Formats: sequence, C-alpha cells, structure tokens
Amino acid sequence: GENVEQHPSTLSVQEGDSAVIKCTYSDSASNYFPWYKQELGKRPQLIIDIRSNVGEKKDQRIAVTLNKTAKHFSLHITETQPEDSAVYFCAAPKGDQAGTALIFGKGTTLSVSS
Amino acid sequence: EPEVTQTPSHQVTQMGQEVILRCVPISNHLYFYWYRQILGQKVEFLVSFYNNEISEKSEIFDDQFSVERPDGSNFTLKIRSTKLEDSAMYFCASSAGGPGQFFGPGTRLTVL
Repeated sequence: GENVEQHPSTLSVQEGDSAVIKCTYSDSASNYFPWYKQELGKRPQLIIDIRSNVGEKKDQRIAVTLNKTAKHFSLHITETQPEDSAVYFCAAPKGDQAGTALIFGKGTTLSVSS
Repeated sequence: EPEVTQTPSHQVTQMGQEVILRCVPISNHLYFYWYRQILGQKVEFLVSFYNNEISEKSEIFDDQFSVERPDGSNFTLKIRSTKLEDSAMYFCASSAGGPGQFFGPGTRLTVL
C-alpha cells in the first residue's frame, strides 16, 4: 500500500521568509497529491493539490511541485505571515479507484515569527 | 459554502461503552470517510463508504467499528466497546469522487 513520508517535522521561519515542506510517496501509480493545513483544534483544510500530469501549481503565495520520477512533491510558501503558522499535512491516494481514501504524512509544524 | 458537520463536538465515555459519532456529509457528495487523529499525531484513515457499502478500510477498523448511513443525510461511526486507546479526534470527510476530500470539524472522543 501507499506510504507517505514527510519532513521536516518542525519548521521555524521569520515572517517574510519562504518555507518548504517535502514529501515522498511509494506507489508510482499515485496521481493526486493534496496538501492540508490544520490550525490548532481545527479541521484539516485543503489548501492546494496537484495532479500527476503537471509539475507545478501555484495559488498566490503557495505552490506545489511534483517530481514523478523521484516520487516526491513539495509545498512552497513564500512571504510567510504569522497566520501561516499551523500543521501542514501532505497526502497521497490509498488506491487507484475513484473516491479512494487518503494516506497522510506525519505533518510539519510551521511556526512563523514576526 | 456547504460544509461537513459532525456531532457531538466532544464525547466522554467509560471504557467498554458503545459510542456513536454522527456526520452529515456535503449533500451532493457520494463518498464518505472516517479518519482519526490521536493528539499530536497524523491523520489516520479508518474506512471509506460508497453506494451503501464499505469500499476500503484500514487495519485499525476492526470488528469493534461499524459504519452506517441510516438515512439520506447522516453517516455514523459506531465503536461497540470503547478502549482507552480509542481516545482521539474523529474526523468525517466527504468527496464527490474526484480530487478533494472535505473534512468536518471533528468529534473529540475521550475514553476514561
């Protein structure tokens, strides 16, 4: 089955700096990679995702890159702000059927200090 | 914007008791999921449900767990005989089948 590794586990940056979180996956058939942001005591919220037919996707200050050959994908946050402080989880599909469940990485706690 | 809702927000129970966690998925979604998150750890998949039957389950989802869609809107997770290690946040999620699963606010289950 799919296995997702995520690092670093914690990341501290100064406001305005960039942050990068990396994940690797094991199943070469995986074709969809979402990222979730979870603030303390809240639900995981989908912030960006990427399909395997593209190498990069951007949405304002966040971007995700995918390297299918190496089976890794990364989240990039530019111009970080204190409100970006949260736990970020990457995920990959468990199977290849429609509606398959997600397998999550262990999470990265991002702290942005002003 | 429609959201997944869950009740109760917090459930405290004694070890060995049965609990039922309730979820209302987004109305036009067809796939429903339960995940759990032990405090400070990652989100773990439990079970997915489609067309009134379980489509996938993890090794965590043993005979103590069951799911049901009792009517056209609710989706429930039952734990028959709770154990201390069942204490966690339980998230319901739903999707239309394409990319994107949307999570509810969670139910914090505390087993004493």
